[in-house]
Amino acid sequence: SQQGEEDPQALSIQEGENATMNCSYKTSINNLQWYRQNSGRGLVHLILIRSNEREKHSGRLRVTLDTSKKSSSLLITASRAADTASYFCAPAFNDYKLSFGAGTTVTVRA
Amino acid sequence: DTGVSQNPRHKITKRGQNVTFRCDPISEHNRLYWYRQTLGQGPEFLTYFQNEAQLEKSRLLSDRFSAERPKGSFSTLEIQRTEQGDSAMYLCASSLAGGSKVYNEQFFGPGTRLTVL
Repeated sequence: SQQGEEDPQALSIQEGENATMNCSYKTSINNLQWYRQNSGRGLVHLILIRSNEREKHSGRLRVTLDTSKKSSSLLITASRAADTASYFCAPAFNDYKLSFGAGTTVTVRA
Repeated sequence: DTGVSQNPRHKITKRGQNVTFRCDPISEHNRLYWYRQTLGQGPEFLTYFQNEAQLEKSRLLSDRFSAERPKGSFSTLEIQRTEQGDSAMYLCASSLAGGSKVYNEQFFGPGTRLTVL
């Protein structure tokens, strides 16, 4: 399968801590995107990182990409209760199709 | 609201009935996508349109499924003779592609949850 695979499947952290989740894929990508999904807001686009980029930041989010290892990571710093959600990586092997993994479920405890 | 909208949000139907879902993309977006998501899984690509042309269909899209985007704006996804295995969340997304824009951020609607009894 070409889809991304996230690790871990689930993560529970205390508010204020950092959360890191990883994504692996098997073939060369055009770009890789991260999404968040919770019941209140559906699937929300977080960050797109291009295949020639190594790191990207957006607010409290940091994404890295290592194309030699075919892996990406998403770091959420200073987590908040509102960060409780499922996080999906979606490698794009061409310019139109996203191949989502099963996601990482993050629970932020107060 | 200028995001992607989908209707209905929920649909309950009996096995064997036909259902149709509608997606209205972000107005300036020329690409429209359909995905299906089952519980505990990420979305799976079904098909996409560039303007009114349907350019790819996944093998997940059996011949009971048909999608249209007649004027290059809204799209409909029809499922004929529904089966219990069709129960899922059907997500629509849109993006702007072409010209110098080669990276494809997709923006998703809230989805239509289908339950087939």
